[in-house]
Amino acid sequence: DAKTTQPPSMDCAEGRAANLPCNHSTISGNEYVYWYRQIHSQGPQYIIHGLKNNETNEMASLIITEDRKSSTLILPHATLRDTAVYYCIVRVAGNQGGKLIFGQGTELSVKP
Amino acid sequence: NAGVTQTPKFQVLKTGQSMTLQCAQDMNHNSMYWYRQDPGMGLRLIYYSASEGTTDKGEVPNGYNVSRLNKREFSLRLESAAPSQTSVYFCASSVLAGGYEQYFGPGTRLTVT
Repeated sequence: DAKTTQPPSMDCAEGRAANLPCNHSTISGNEYVYWYRQIHSQGPQYIIHGLKNNETNEMASLIITEDRKSSTLILPHATLRDTAVYYCIVRVAGNQGGKLIFGQGTELSVKP
Repeated sequence: NAGVTQTPKFQVLKTGQSMTLQCAQDMNHNSMYWYRQDPGMGLRLIYYSASEGTTDKGEVPNGYNVSRLNKREFSLRLESAAPSQTSVYFCASSVLAGGYEQYFGPGTRLTVT
């Protein structure tokens, strides 16, 4: 499985866009990029995933570079409730029994 | 929809005691999972059930047993609790067998003294 690298922490002003980067330079052609977040003391929350096209849902947008070596999760209008640890995970869809491997993630602090 | 529910929310056990953690989902998902999360650590998969009637070991299965009672329910049993099993336990479910779009419950915080 491809290794991912994320900055350990980031700050964002409330109401501004939060752009969270993830490097996955060894990603292979059949690996998807998944994003989760974990708000303190809660269960992880699925946000979005993609293969090579940009994706958008009601929570966020996922931008994957053309060479697929990196991606950015965008929270368009961050609120205080978006303060959480964000995890970028690369997996082959349907493989390995659904085991999610959470790395260290990025701790996003949204400030008033 | 309630999503994924877990009971109990908190539990304190003495070493050697047994207990069952309950998990249920109302999303008609096929697969269910049990993870544990130790302080400051990532999640580790204990057991999973790709579909009703099947279960498989994950990364850290020792000391645990599971039962996929029906499509909705997946329980985790500690037969003889040990202090090393102090952790937060999360149940999750997914539509696809082995899928990575998983939906998690609120967790059970277990302390073994």
